[in-house]
Amino acid sequence: SQQGEEDPQALSIQEGENATMNCSYKTSINNLQWYRQNSGRGLVHLILIRSNEREKHSGRLRVTLDTSKKSSSLLITASRAADTASYFCATDDSGAGSYQLTFGKGTKLSVIP
Amino acid sequence: GAGVSQSPSNKVTEKGKDVELRCDPISGHTALYWYRQRLGQGLEFLIYFQGNSAPDKSGLPSDRFSAERTGESVSTLTIQRTQQEDSAVYLCASSLVLGWNTEAFFGQGTRLTVV
Repeated sequence: SQQGEEDPQALSIQEGENATMNCSYKTSINNLQWYRQNSGRGLVHLILIRSNEREKHSGRLRVTLDTSKKSSSLLITASRAADTASYFCATDDSGAGSYQLTFGKGTKLSVIP
Repeated sequence: GAGVSQSPSNKVTEKGKDVELRCDPISGHTALYWYRQRLGQGLEFLIYFQGNSAPDKSGLPSDRFSAERTGESVSTLTIQRTQQEDSAVYLCASSLVLGWNTEAFFGQGTRLTVV
């Protein structure tokens, strides 16, 4: 399977609830990034966490990284209807020395007003 | 410009025709990437450029696909003899430098439909 796989594939929550999405990857990485995509078009960068970091916050977003388990989670607190989108994690492959960002298939989040 | 610009926004073409997709990166961004996204899927890496270095073409799916970039400016992705399986959104991104710790800025994509 590919680098950077998100789970769940789809998530539906009520406005105000927290949403948690997970990402697993296979290789050693330099950093992991989360992106958001609305309506299947351009992606917007949300947050980047380096391999030597364990947790990072940005507004209502909280990202954790566990390099021993090769996994990351994205938590969106106090969700809003406007958070409805697909969320992707993206990783590099430090072992391959590649600058490719490899994206997973994403988690489709629906926030119900 | 203020962001990454892609054109056309939508393209419908007949099977067997050639298409050319354009990407204008953010001014000053030395790295440029092309990705393909099929409906409901993740992003599939195609190619990236870094300044005047040789591009990494390892993601191009066949020899029908090619891309060019002049210096640190516009890039074009060309698909020859299009097939129905080429239908997808083609996304371009640029970043300030080519590296593992810089964010990529994406355009809105070109939705290609091959009929």
